[in-house]
Amino acid sequence: DTAVSQTPKYLVTQMGNDKSIKCEQNLGHDTMYWYKQDSKKFLKIMFSYNNKELIINETVPNRFSPKSPDKAHLNLHINSLELGDSAVYFCASSQDGSETQYFGPGTRLLVL
Amino acid sequence: DQQVKQNSPSLSVQEGRISILNCDYTNSMFDYFLWYKKYPAEGPTFLISISSIKDKNEDGRFTVFLNKSAKHLSLHIVPSQPGDSAVYFCAASVDNYGQNFVFGPGTRLSVLP
Repeated sequence: DTAVSQTPKYLVTQMGNDKSIKCEQNLGHDTMYWYKQDSKKFLKIMFSYNNKELIINETVPNRFSPKSPDKAHLNLHINSLELGDSAVYFCASSQDGSETQYFGPGTRLLVL
Repeated sequence: DQQVKQNSPSLSVQEGRISILNCDYTNSMFDYFLWYKKYPAEGPTFLISISSIKDKNEDGRFTVFLNKSAKHLSLHIVPSQPGDSAVYFCAASVDNYGQNFVFGPGTRLSVLP
């Protein structure tokens, strides 16, 4: 069974559209994260959620909004997509207090 | 089933000595590997990479070794410094275009003064 899954794997869309990326973990972890990987492979943390509370919100545009319907899911919603949003987005999870993070397979977003 | 494994959750090393972080993978299609370093409350920072056509890549104090037949890679840090204390993630991909990366769960390195 996949521990952390993301859908879709690939997403191609037009500028100005609104899209969502879903993330689910079946590890029973308390904290989930979203990262953006840039062209130089640097992983920038965007958000983390702990028991449905946002605990980290880095300087990302408010067009990006995380939504957590329950502890096992943290979805990323993006409004008014821009060309610069093209990247690979990774979801991850960890047990509260642990530094070990389990990453999803990534979602490659291409904005045309 | 984890395709990328880091079996040591933590490692402690004395300052000035060598730190060796290990990573094993199961997918023989992986041909590009990276190491990331992560400080608390920050995102992982890309550290060093290696392609499967090489068995060693060196960058300053950091050297990555790849043993394809054993599906094993390791990161050597020498000499270790207190600032190296962080969590280190190993990642693997079937190409170097940033697609389909698979991450290990990380190893916490503590360098003791």
